[in-house]
Amino acid sequence: TQLLEQSPQFLSIQEGENLTVYCNSSSVFSSLQWYRQEPGEGPVLLVTVVTGGEVKKLKRLTFQFGDARKDSSLHITAAQPGDTGLYLCAGADEGGAQKLVFGQGTRLTINP
Amino acid sequence: DTEVTQTPKHLVMGMTNKKSLKCEQHMGHRAMYWYKQKAKKPPELMFVYSYEKLSINESVPSRFSPECPNSSLLNLHLHALQPEDSALYLCASSLDPGQSYEQYFGPGTRLTVT
Repeated sequence: TQLLEQSPQFLSIQEGENLTVYCNSSSVFSSLQWYRQEPGEGPVLLVTVVTGGEVKKLKRLTFQFGDARKDSSLHITAAQPGDTGLYLCAGADEGGAQKLVFGQGTRLTINP
Repeated sequence: DTEVTQTPKHLVMGMTNKKSLKCEQHMGHRAMYWYKQKAKKPPELMFVYSYEKLSINESVPSRFSPECPNSSLLNLHLHALQPEDSALYLCASSLDPGQSYEQYFGPGTRLTVT
């Protein structure tokens, strides 16, 4: 069974600080997605990383896929209150299964 | 347009009621999914439809009955639910059933079973 371990589970920081969220597994994934979810809403796709070592930037968010495609990180620079939410990583099975494996999520709170 | 719509937004039903959740996408996606999400947990996969055919049922109780009338629509029929079935029900779609990444989620239906 593939598992994705996400850390930290909870993070509360002040506006302007930097942070990194990690998503780790012992399994190889063909791709990995990051989603952000607001309370009572569906997850919104932020980025997909496919190639080992790939780095993608979305404004103040930087996403990295590990060289071995087993882990990923999300770094936020100068966090803002609007970044508050639940961040989920999800991996696609390398065997082409139709399922995503979700991490447990990181609940991020940015305090003004 | 990467929009998946879901209706209703909120639903309260008794344990003897029959109700349906509706999901719609017009992105030409050929895979559609139902997920259940409890508070502070990640989404749990329930069903997958590929090219309008049920391809995955994650051992979901028969009181949940999915239906895919066409490539744009996905329904979830509910009957004789239990209070523990109260949750956020999410629909998602992806372009190619063979590649499940890049799933686009709808806003969800908040279901309360009384």
